[in-house]
Amino acid sequence: DIHVTQSPSSLSASVGDRVTITCRASQSISSFLNWYQQKPGKAPELLIYAASSLQSGVSSRFSGSGSGTDFTLTISSLEPEDFATYYCQQSFSIPYTFGQGTKLEI
Amino acid sequence: QVQLVQSGAEVRKPGASVKVSCKASGYTFTGYYMHWVRQAPGQGLEWMGWINPNSGGTNYAQRFQGRVTMTRDTSITTGYMELSGLRSDDTAVYYCARSTATIMPPGETLRRFDLWGRGTLVTVSS
Repeated sequence: DIHVTQSPSSLSASVGDRVTITCRASQSISSFLNWYQQKPGKAPELLIYAASSLQSGVSSRFSGSGSGTDFTLTISSLEPEDFATYYCQQSFSIPYTFGQGTKLEI
Repeated sequence: QVQLVQSGAEVRKPGASVKVSCKASGYTFTGYYMHWVRQAPGQGLEWMGWINPNSGGTNYAQRFQGRVTMTRDTSITTGYMELSGLRSDDTAVYYCARSTATIMPPGETLRRFDLWGRGTLVTVSS
């Protein structure tokens, strides 16, 4: 199985900050990497797919980059509604696996 | 509207089985794979497998092989996930999710989970 590791596990930031979350895969996954946001008690929502493609309807303050084994999710200027948990997920091979999550707190 | 509506919360005893449903609406049910993902309390996300609603073909994560069965009824655009031999560590919220496929060079398919149900809490307790 491909192991996916996120860092940091938690992050404190303020409205207006620029934040970056990283995701590392245990082997090369090309650009087969998706990012999700999850708020408490809610289902995850897709933000970024194929490492850098913005899902329709998602704010352009979210961006993704990377390929191979190292990936980043960047939020350019935090809004209050961005405080949530973020997960990366590899879609390169089955079983699809998720990172352990990064909790973004105020 | 485009949505996935899941069945309600369930409580089961260890060793029992549970079957969760996921009704799709607002899109062509047979045009997208349906996946099941679970999340234990306070934990991360775990992919369990997918079903191709068009063919009925399935692909399960190895750790659930032999315990999970995914089926569908195209006449009512509903997918099902049945988990047997329940243990206390199967207590989790179970989500269904639709995947949309993107063809990546040189021809492989990337699947992204672009529509999720609201989740079904399954509690396993004696």
